[in-house]
Amino acid sequence: DAGITQSPRHKVTETGTPVTLRCHQTENHRYMYWYRQDPGHGLRLIHYSYGVKDTDKGEVSDGYSVSRSKTEDFLLTLESATSSQTSVYFCASRDRVEAFFGQGTRLTVV
Amino acid sequence: AQSVTQLGSHVSVSEGALVLLRCNYSSSVPPYLFWYVQYPNQGLQLLLKYTSAATLVKGINGFEAEFKKSETSFHLTKPSAHMSDAAEYFCAVSVGNTDKLIFGTGTRLQVFP
Repeated sequence: DAGITQSPRHKVTETGTPVTLRCHQTENHRYMYWYRQDPGHGLRLIHYSYGVKDTDKGEVSDGYSVSRSKTEDFLLTLESATSSQTSVYFCASRDRVEAFFGQGTRLTVV
Repeated sequence: AQSVTQLGSHVSVSEGALVLLRCNYSSSVPPYLFWYVQYPNQGLQLLLKYTSAATLVKGINGFEAEFKKSETSFHLTKPSAHMSDAAEYFCAVSVGNTDKLIFGTGTRLQVFP
């Protein structure tokens, strides 16, 4: 199995605070993705990266930013957390075809 | 832009019955298509993938899917459901020139004894 780890696995934060989620992969995959999963919406793409320092927006990018300074790390930042950002966040990395997923981060904004 | 539509957010079958989960895609160029499975409180695991080779694709756990360009479909089937198949299933599409991987809204499969 590909080595994809997300940290933290669970986080509770207050409205208005910044939050950073980390995704780390050990497979030297070029592509990395951040998704949020909400009931009835499936997985929605927030941002993705196609190389170091190369990122692009997904379907639901408002309120989120990302950075990729190294191949293995892809950070997702909620600039000022809101209750609507309460969700489960999944990171994935991808070789040319198949994507491998982390175990998810459950984020609660109170 | 590419997208996928999964018909039916919930599907219920009896153990031993045929499983059919529907997925239709939209893409202006030949896509890559995937089915992923998610068990409770876990990440997603690849079931099978279509990458423009054989149109009938076999995956893990007895699942298979057929790419039908004329119908823009990639439905997932399994001849005989098992209790352990109960999970949420996601169809996804990728188009090479965008590198995006877009998922459908998912279908929750329940299997009754």
